[in-house]
Amino acid sequence: ETGVTQSPTHLIKTRGQQVTLRCSSQSGHNTVSWYQQALGQGPQFIFQYYREEENGRGNFPPRFSGLQFPNYSSELNVNALELDDSALYLCASSLHGRDEQFFGPGTRLTVL
Amino acid sequence: KQEVTQIPAALSVPEGENLVLNCSFTDSAIYNLQWFRQDPGKGLTSLLLIQSSQREQTSGRLNASLDKSSGRSTLYIAASQPGDSATYLCAVRPFKARNNNDMRFGAGTRLTVKP
Repeated sequence: ETGVTQSPTHLIKTRGQQVTLRCSSQSGHNTVSWYQQALGQGPQFIFQYYREEENGRGNFPPRFSGLQFPNYSSELNVNALELDDSALYLCASSLHGRDEQFFGPGTRLTVL
Repeated sequence: KQEVTQIPAALSVPEGENLVLNCSFTDSAIYNLQWFRQDPGKGLTSLLLIQSSQREQTSGRLNASLDKSSGRSTLYIAASQPGDSATYLCAVRPFKARNNNDMRFGAGTRLTVKP
């Protein structure tokens, strides 16, 4: 059984650029959630995808968007990057309706 | 708005000591509470999940309790080992978010267990 994987591991961008982060869910999981974790803080919920549609969103602006593909993998897109977007971005997969999530190792994004 | 606080922010103990990590939350209308472990620069590993109707959960040397009415949870680690060194995060899922993963996390307690 393959766990949750994320790519890339690290990424450096400049302010105003756009970035795409990728996540492959654990085998059999149909729900993907994305979190932003700033240094020294707990993760904050960005949004969740199930059946290729967003079905829950935290307090993040529209420049944070996502996709889920038929194989349940997912992308997080961030437009017009700001310095405060520098963080560890975590993806978690689960079975819809089940409480337990499994987290990936994260993508460390640095915005200069 | 649900706010989650963890005290202390950092803790250093000698190997073998029993310890307690604290988590408090402001809104008792929760669906469940979960404790996670995070190693530096890594993802989260779920340790224990307590449903709102439960009082405690145990796994090996770990025991988590939940007092929903007072807005508190504790994670008890028995006979600590250097391998327990990590950041421990508490996360609350509000009842209104029972159908999605909008969990509210504390900032964590960074634990160091010295050999």
